Amino acid sequence: EIVLTQSPATLSLSPGERATLSCRASQSVGSDLAWYQQRPGQAPRLLVYGISRRATGIADRFSGSGSGTDFTLTISSLEPEDFALYYCQQRYNWGPVTFGGGTKVEIK
Amino acid sequence: QVRLQETGPGLVKPSQTLSLTCTVSGGSINSYDFWWTWLRQPPGEGLQWLGYFYRSTTTYYPSLRSRLTISLDASKSQFSLNLTSVTAADTAVYYCARATSHGGNPMDYWGQGILVTVSS
Repeated sequence: EIVLTQSPATLSLSPGERATLSCRASQSVGSDLAWYQQRPGQAPRLLVYGISRRATGIADRFSGSGSGTDFTLTISSLEPEDFALYYCQQRYNWGPVTFGGGTKVEIK
Repeated sequence: QVRLQETGPGLVKPSQTLSLTCTVSGGSINSYDFWWTWLRQPPGEGLQWLGYFYRSTTTYYPSLRSRLTISLDASKSQFSLNLTSVTAADTAVYYCARATSHGGNPMDYWGQGILVTVSS
């Protein structure tokens, strides 16, 4: 099973700042890497898939990058509604789907 | 607009079977483009993928394979989860979701989630 490790666990930033979230895989996942946002009491929402493809309706301040085992989700300028939990997810080579442990983006 | 809605009991006794149903509206459950998926999230913890139904086949998370069954009833536009011999460790918010055919099967539509507590 591929393990995804997200860092940092918590990111304390102010609105308007840039957020950089990291996800590292225990082995290569090719381009099979997605990011989700989860607000309190809500279901996760797909933000990015295929490393860098934004899902339908997702603002362009969200961008994904990386390759192989190291991936990044960047939020270029934090809006109030962006303070939430973020998870990365992989399903490489038809193995089990796994998620990272999450990064909480909180207001500083 | 595609919508998914989980229904089922919020409380299950230990050793019993947890049964949930997900009703899909606004899109065809018969489409071969999607994997109909169950996930869960224990209180205060992260997300765990449980398995999916796709083209009359199922795939389960390995450690749950012996207890888990996912089925689909296209006539009702529903898919279901049965988890046997539950313990307190199965207490979680359970989500149904639609996974796409893009690499990695990202999940683009989710139900709102249903909290299931395992307790006597």
